[in-house]
Amino acid sequence: EPEVTQTPSHQVTQMGQEVILRCVPISNHLYFYWYRQILGQKVEFLVSFYNNEISEKSEIFDDQFSVERPDGSNFTLKIRSTKLEDSAMYFCASTDRVLDSPLHFGNGTRLTVT
Amino acid sequence: AQSVTQLGSHVSVSEGALVLLRCNYSSSVPPYLFWYVQYPNQGLQLLLKYTSAATLVKGINGFEAEFKKSETSFHLTKPSAHMSDAAEYFCAVTGNQFYFGTGTSLTVIP
Repeated sequence: EPEVTQTPSHQVTQMGQEVILRCVPISNHLYFYWYRQILGQKVEFLVSFYNNEISEKSEIFDDQFSVERPDGSNFTLKIRSTKLEDSAMYFCASTDRVLDSPLHFGNGTRLTVT
Repeated sequence: AQSVTQLGSHVSVSEGALVLLRCNYSSSVPPYLFWYVQYPNQGLQLLLKYTSAATLVKGINGFEAEFKKSETSFHLTKPSAHMSDAAEYFCAVTGNQFYFGTGTSLTVIP
């Protein structure tokens, strides 16, 4: 069964550094998402992406964050200048259509900001 | 606006006992509802979904959920808990995006 893949599985970075989290969604999917989960807390929506543009973003997704689909397969999340509070699991997800089709999640990237 | 509320952040059951994880939803339109499971250090895996066909939905690993419009609920059940069911469970409803509940951590006691 096709799956969403995320790399790296774990990223350690220093505060103020830029990080890029990478995702390869399922190939025939059109809608892409990033979610964040701080340790022990709920899964929080960051951003959705469709037709090469952001569909919706949350309050968390401020100017430090950006997303890009640089080619036909990758979907990236960039954090320009990381803060300690950005430490979390970041999940990429994709679906072929909204509303009644489930999201398919990757296994996540654990970001640790020191 | 859509949202879900999961009652009980932690649930403990004995192995072989009934599992009941509660989810109530709020939606201005007929909802699409989902349950996901998260095992340690893994992503979220779909357990089951309700998309307005049958109100009783069967999922993987013996789980099922019943959509009750009158109670705005979509509780997850399993007749007999297994040790491998220990995980975090998330209820979700869709609108423009998926809205997740805060999660319920299930512990199974041998």
